[in-house]
Formats: sequence, structure tokens, C-alpha cells
Amino acid sequence: EPEVTQTPSHQVTQMGQEVILRCVPISNHLYFYWYRQILGQKVEFLVSFYNNEISEKSEIFDDQFSVERPDGSNFTLKIRSTKLEDSAMYFCASSLGQGRGYTFGSGTRLTVV
Amino acid sequence: GENVEQHPSTLSVQEGDSAVIKCTYSDSASNYFPWYKQELGKGPQLIIDIRSNVGEKKDQRIAVTLNKTAKHFSLHITETQPEDSAVYFCAAVNNAGNMLTFGGGTRLMVKP
Repeated sequence: EPEVTQTPSHQVTQMGQEVILRCVPISNHLYFYWYRQILGQKVEFLVSFYNNEISEKSEIFDDQFSVERPDGSNFTLKIRSTKLEDSAMYFCASSLGQGRGYTFGSGTRLTVV
Repeated sequence: GENVEQHPSTLSVQEGDSAVIKCTYSDSASNYFPWYKQELGKGPQLIIDIRSNVGEKKDQRIAVTLNKTAKHFSLHITETQPEDSAVYFCAAVNNAGNMLTFGGGTRLMVKP
């Protein structure tokens, strides 16, 4: 069964550093998403991406965050100047159609120290 | 924006019993409601979904019901097994179809 692949599985970074979380969506999917889950809390929407542009973003997704699809297979989330409160599990997801059939990756656990 | 509430937060059942998890949503324009199972160290996995033009959907031991008027939907698992133990999330997709809003999750424990 096709999978969404995320790397690394765990990233530890110093506060103030920049991190890039990487995702390889399912190859024929057209819609891409990032979500995060702070320990013990809800899974929260960050951003959706279609046709090489952001189609929706949440209040969390401020200027500190950016997304990119640098080639035909990767989808990245960049977090600049990380803060302690950015520590969370970050999930990438993709879907073939809009609003249905989301497939999630296994996540990247980001720890900011 | 959309708000999804989920109950209970934890649920413990005996193997073979049924489990029911309930969710309510606030945005009447939401039209797609997936349910996810999350096992330790893994991402959410879609287990069943329902569209707003359908009242009920069943897949083997799992069923979902939707009441659009009351804006609530429920997950029913029959004949529970220990491997059903996980965290279950309900979610609602906005009208534009580009954002999932999750409920708070239910930790289901099935005791052998």
C-alpha cells in the first residue's frame, strides 16, 4: 500500500536554529498538508498546499513557517528560529482529491532544547 | 472556524464488547467526516469515513453514523479485540476541502 514517508523520525535542535522537515507524499497525490500534535493535545492543522501554492493556512502558520515542493517528489516544512513551544510531532499528509482520502505519514518528533 | 468535540477521552471495554465514540462539530458546511486510528509511534490511519449525504456506513466491525441536523457523528466498533486498542480521532473537513479539524481523541483500551 502506498505510504507517505517522513524524515527524520526524530529531530533535536537548539532553540533559535532552523529545521527542515521532509516528506515524500504518495506519488499521484495532488494535495499536501502539514499538521502538528503537541504532546497530549489535539492534532492541529498548519497548512495545505496545491498546485505549488498554499491554499489554506492556520493562525499557527505564521512567518516562522514556510513550505516548499522543491522537486516532483518532496514536500518540506521549514521552521525558522525554533522556539521551545515548537516541540511537537509534525505530520505530513497527502490526498488525491480535495477533502477526502487523506493519508498521513508516521511523523517527525521535533524536540527544541 | 470549525470546532470538533470528542467524547469520551478514554474508554475501557472487555474483549468482545462494543465501543462507541461520539463527536460533535460546529460548522454546518462541513461535509466529510473521517475517523482515524493512531497507534503508538505512528501517524493517524484512516479507518472509515462518511460524507454528509449519507447517514450511515459500515465496514465489517466498524460503522459510522451521521446526524447532520444535530451535527454529530459516532464511531461504533463491535466485537472488540485487543488489537483495536489505540487512540481514535474523529475529524471534519471544511467546505473548501483543504483543512481537517480533529477532535481531541479517545484512548480505547480493550481488555482481554
